[in-house]
Amino acid sequence: SYVLTQPPSVSVAPGQTARIACGGNNIGSKSVHWYQQKPGQAPVLVVHDDSDRPSGIPERFSGSNAGNMATLTISRVGAGDEADYYCQVWDSTSDHVVFGGGTKVTVL
Amino acid sequence: QVQLVESGGGVVQSGRSLRLSCAASGFIFSSYGMHWVRQAPGKGLEWVAVIWNDGGKKYYTDSVKGRFTISKDNSKNTLSLQMNSLRIEDTAVYYCARDRSISGTYPIDYWGQGTPVTVSS
Repeated sequence: SYVLTQPPSVSVAPGQTARIACGGNNIGSKSVHWYQQKPGQAPVLVVHDDSDRPSGIPERFSGSNAGNMATLTISRVGAGDEADYYCQVWDSTSDHVVFGGGTKVTVL
Repeated sequence: QVQLVESGGGVVQSGRSLRLSCAASGFIFSSYGMHWVRQAPGKGLEWVAVIWNDGGKKYYTDSVKGRFTISKDNSKNTLSLQMNSLRIEDTAVYYCARDRSISGTYPIDYWGQGTPVTVSS
């Protein structure tokens, strides 16, 4: 089955840029979606189809996807960005939704 | 506005059954695929099952195949998950979630608040 690999944690200073990696075999051929989940809350879609933002999501959130790596980038990070972030794809080989293991973003 | 409200969670003994429901409102329920996603305590998101808008296709994660059944009643705007032969490892918060399309192959754009399921020995 298809596997998505994320680093367990990323730390970033306020105002700096956080980059969250999501690795998968030829992930560049798939559409990658990213979710933000704060403690005790349901996930929220922040980037879809590699690099598109839903309405209401700040431009500070952006995404890219090529080769074996997709990346979520959060610019000008603030305390409100502290959360777990998950990447997700649809694996058409297995007809499964696949989530990455999640990355905890900590603002120093 | 889109609302997804889960119910039916609780504490159940291993080997028993439980049925989760999700009441949908604020959108044309029959036009969207729907998912169940779970999250074990302190763990990440795990996809459980998906059903196409018309119920014509259903897919399950391997660990629940043969035990769980997803269904969709478009006349009542309700999504269900029948869970049989429950195991301790099924303990999680279960989220009802809407796919952006008629199928289950696009991003999940709305989530419910989740209903907790605890399986005890």
